[in-house]
Amino acid sequence: LAKTTQPISMDSYEGQEVNITCSHNNIATNDYITWYQQFPSQGPRFIIQGYKTKVTNEVASLFIPADRKSSTLSLPRVSLSDTAVYYCLVGSQAAGNKLTFGGGTRVLVKP
Amino acid sequence: NAGVMQNPRHLVRRRGQEARLRCSPMKGHSHVYWYRQLPEEGLKFMVYLQKENIIDESGMPKERFSAEFPKEGPSILRIQQVVRGDSAAYFCASSPEQPYSNQPQHFGDGTRLSIL
Repeated sequence: LAKTTQPISMDSYEGQEVNITCSHNNIATNDYITWYQQFPSQGPRFIIQGYKTKVTNEVASLFIPADRKSSTLSLPRVSLSDTAVYYCLVGSQAAGNKLTFGGGTRVLVKP
Repeated sequence: NAGVMQNPRHLVRRRGQEARLRCSPMKGHSHVYWYRQLPEEGLKFMVYLQKENIIDESGMPKERFSAEFPKEGPSILRIQQVVRGDSAAYFCASSPEQPYSNQPQHFGDGTRLSIL
């Protein structure tokens, strides 16, 4: 399973854009990059998933360079409710694939 | 996290008792995964089940822990003779039927187990 490295924590202010970069140097050809968000006392919530280039949904954007050795989750105009831990995971999403969570990035959005 | 239902949300047990954690996967999902999370840490995989079968239990302690996913009813994670070190949040996730699909796992809100 590809190992991921991401910052331990980040602070931001309401209305700003937050970018979290994740390194995954040994990503495999069939691996996808998936981001989850976790609030205290809740389970992880799927945010976005991508394989290459750029993926955008109503919540976030995911930028993946050509070599796929890193990826950046972009949260536009964050609000206080975006304060959470964000996990970057790399692997196949095939059924039966066990997810490997690292320590995640604690994002604190300040007023 | 709508869809994956876990109960109870909180469970308190004394050392030596048994703990039973239940998980009902999302409708249409036949793959169930259990994870454990200690405070300030990421989730750690425990076991992967399909209906009536344990597929991968490589993350589950060899003793006192067992899991099942019967043909009818929820998946059960059972911890016998609990010890203080079993205190953690236990999360269940589910994913759809099709193999090799790129559908993400969806998580429940967990059961917080406290051992007195």
